[in-house]
Amino acid sequence: NAGVTQTPKFRILKIGQSMTLQCAQDMNHNYMYWYRQDPGMGLKLIYYSVGAGITDKGEVPNGYNVSRSTTEDFPLRLELAAPSQTSVYFCASRNIAGVLYNEQFFGPGTRLTVL
Amino acid sequence: KNEVEQSPQNLTAQEGEFITINCSYSVGISALHWLQQHPGGGIVSLFMLSSGKKKHGRLIATINIQEKHSSLHITASHPRDSAVYICAVTGNQFYFGTGTSLTVIP
Repeated sequence: NAGVTQTPKFRILKIGQSMTLQCAQDMNHNYMYWYRQDPGMGLKLIYYSVGAGITDKGEVPNGYNVSRSTTEDFPLRLELAAPSQTSVYFCASRNIAGVLYNEQFFGPGTRLTVL
Repeated sequence: KNEVEQSPQNLTAQEGEFITINCSYSVGISALHWLQQHPGGGIVSLFMLSSGKKKHGRLIATINIQEKHSSLHITASHPRDSAVYICAVTGNQFYFGTGTSLTVIP
């Protein structure tokens, strides 16, 4: 299994540009997450999905959009990029079945700079 | 106030020392996770626990649900243990601590 994959690894955007961060997992996990990690801060949840077709906002959703058309893919869209969105973005997935919670698997991260 | 607090923020140790990292949380949880983030940025799950104690090699994690506190111990520390260790708790969603940066000097 490849686990959780993310592309691109690095990206520099100009203010106002848009882009999509790709995330895919091949473990048939139902839950997927997008986090951002700013220097000196803990990971913050942007959006999450509990299954194909279902998404919900996390703690810091403004400026982002997501979709979950398949179990495997969970892209994160940035519209009108702003310097405040400079961060490292992590995608993660896990399987939750009833009250059975399993560990979360993280992708390698995407380092985004908005200038 | 953060839902998850870790201490210390930074820790430097000599190779071979016994290391303890602490985590306190203020929300109701179903599980607590210890994660390791290496300088390259990748995040790996070390432990998930909801009670008692777990051990993997030189790593030991304990949790006290009543006191809402967990500790991560590293025995016989090694330079390759140098990383950021992150405590996270699962309630309705994940809450993350800001991490403890550990440097082990040869």
